Amino acid sequence: GQQLNQSPQSMFIQEGEDVSMNCTSSSIFNTWLWYKQDPGEGPVLLIALYKAGELTSNGRLTAQFGITRKDSFLNISASIPSDVGIYFCAGLTFFFNKFYFGSGTKLNVKP
Amino acid sequence: DVKVTQSSRYLVKRTGEKVFLECVQDMDHENMFWYRQDPGLGLRLIYFSYDVKMKEKGDIPEGYSVSREKKERFSLILESASTNQTSMYLCASSPTGEQYFGPGTRLTVT
Repeated sequence: GQQLNQSPQSMFIQEGEDVSMNCTSSSIFNTWLWYKQDPGEGPVLLIALYKAGELTSNGRLTAQFGITRKDSFLNISASIPSDVGIYFCAGLTFFFNKFYFGSGTKLNVKP
Repeated sequence: DVKVTQSSRYLVKRTGEKVFLECVQDMDHENMFWYRQDPGLGLRLIYFSYDVKMKEKGDIPEGYSVSREKKERFSLILESASTNQTSMYLCASSPTGEQYFGPGTRLTVT
């Protein structure tokens, strides 16, 4: 199925730094979701966005639903070692049963 | 909190065996999904169900079947396991909008 364009593919940062990643698509989505996946585990939902322009926070995480409805970004502020993992975006089309997933951003945090 | 559980975290099966993967959700969600996840290929939808006894093929249904006899339970069946079905299998459930994933089953077919 269609994949969202997620970037960067991987990041190596120092503890305390801020991180930004984004997803883009040529299609319009009604919902944007951001997940974190630890090795050998299932993805855990971090943030859900439902309206164009919406900006939502969850602790040190902030995500925005792009105005064009074709993109979304996730920011992590003041990163800590437990932020290590793979972050996925997902978009939900008008036909609500169809989800599309980004390929993931692998985050490494150096203490 | 939404809870999606999968019957096994790790499974090792032989080629040709029939394999059952079970998924249970406790939030009365209408929609349930089965994905497989492989390095470099991301998450791929195998089957989904939007109601009891209803099922729809996803992007890669070949070699798989599903069963949903009760709302909370969605089973994935590998009729005759093959080595190319070695993968991480993820179940998800959804009310409308967001999806909630289980912990995954790492299946190895030898």
